[in-house]
Amino acid sequence: DAKTTQPPSMDCAEGRAANLPCNHSTISGNEYVYWYRQIHSQGPQYIIHGLKNNETNEMASLIITEDRKSSTLILPHATLRDTAVYYCIVRAHRGSNYKLTFGKGTLLTVNP
Amino acid sequence: EPEVTQTPSHQVTQMGQEVILRCVPISNHLYFYWYRQILGQKVEFLVSFYNNEISEKSEIFDDQFSVERPDGSNFTLKIRSTKLEDSAMYFCASSTGGRRTDTQYFGPGTRLTVL
Repeated sequence: DAKTTQPPSMDCAEGRAANLPCNHSTISGNEYVYWYRQIHSQGPQYIIHGLKNNETNEMASLIITEDRKSSTLILPHATLRDTAVYYCIVRAHRGSNYKLTFGKGTLLTVNP
Repeated sequence: EPEVTQTPSHQVTQMGQEVILRCVPISNHLYFYWYRQILGQKVEFLVSFYNNEISEKSEIFDDQFSVERPDGSNFTLKIRSTKLEDSAMYFCASSTGGRRTDTQYFGPGTRLTVL
């Protein structure tokens, strides 16, 4: 799986949009970008994933650059409960690599 | 909304003892996984399981570890002779394994403490 690079930490004011960047310059054509988060040692929580088009669901939006070498997770109105470690993971859907390879992620702190 | 459940939430055991961690995956899922997270470290893949056999395992998953789907609902991780370094959070996950999406959903974890 392609390697990802994320900032170790970010701050965001409550009610504002949180924009979490991720670089994945070695991504392959069949690899998807997944985002998970982990709130204080709870199980990782799936947020969103995409291949090349921008995606939106009830939790977040995912913006993937045209060359697919980077992406941004957007939490449109961050709340205190969004404080967590956010993981950007690149993974193929097919083949033997079904496992998720977690990095250190970005610790997002939402401040009142 | 369906979710992965795990029991117990916390397990304390003595070094050398056997432990079994239990998971109930989401009911229509076909792929099952175990991950672990040592305190302060990354979430690490242990093993994936499909069609009643291991499909992939990491180098962490040595002979001390085994997995089993004893019935139609449970998925278990057994550690035969626990060591101090097995102390960690253990997360079970499951996915459909479908062609277009293979999103893994995680349980809340079992905290294993080996004394």
